[in-house]
Amino acid sequence: AQSVAQPEDQVNVAEGNPLTVKCTYSVSGNPYLFWYVQYPNRGLQFLLKYITGDNLVKGSYGFEAEFNKSQTSFHLKKPSALVSDSALYFCAVRDRGMDSSYKLIFGSGTRLLVRP
Amino acid sequence: GAGVSQSPRYKVAKRGQDVALRCDPISGHVSLFWYQQALGQGPEFLTYFQNEAQLDKSGLPSDRFFAERPEGSVSTLKIQRTQQEDSAVYLCASSPSSVQGRDNQPQHFGDGTRLSIL
Repeated sequence: AQSVAQPEDQVNVAEGNPLTVKCTYSVSGNPYLFWYVQYPNRGLQFLLKYITGDNLVKGSYGFEAEFNKSQTSFHLKKPSALVSDSALYFCAVRDRGMDSSYKLIFGSGTRLLVRP
Repeated sequence: GAGVSQSPRYKVAKRGQDVALRCDPISGHVSLFWYQQALGQGPEFLTYFQNEAQLDKSGLPSDRFFAERPEGSVSTLKIQRTQQEDSAVYLCASSPSSVQGRDNQPQHFGDGTRLSIL
């Protein structure tokens, strides 16, 4: 069965320091990979995606993610955290098979708290 | 507007009542999805439409849940005889679509409807 794991419920980091939010997945084949961010009482906002090619993907608001096929991981990173980055982050995968639905499978989310 | 619009934003209903949740996708988006997000959890897939065709409803938790998109635009998620376990945020998402299986475009989400069943 397809699954996504976000092993940390919460990540705490000081403003200006680098941040990493971890994600591993278990999906057959080569899935599409996504990161979304959710602010309180809002829907999910797309940050970035991995389709193919370069393992380092750059996205919105200075975020990037590193795809590692051998470790089946897709960790979200940012070189210098901002207090405004504090939010709930979701990793998601989508099967790219021809017979598949487009449905996303999400992890349980990681709360990022950036302290001033 | 430019984004996915959902209404109402909040809905309170008594157990046993029927509710209807509306989603207006981004204009021109072919694919439409419904997800259920329980408190403290990630969204879980409910159902998927391509235009007016409901191609996947494998995530609907029971036959009390019904979704439609009759003209390939606005969609309604209906829950009959609501139960307390139906309390959640219901998210709608849309995306442009090419040939199935080769579409890698991200899904764009609305702000959701928070449903509370008393």
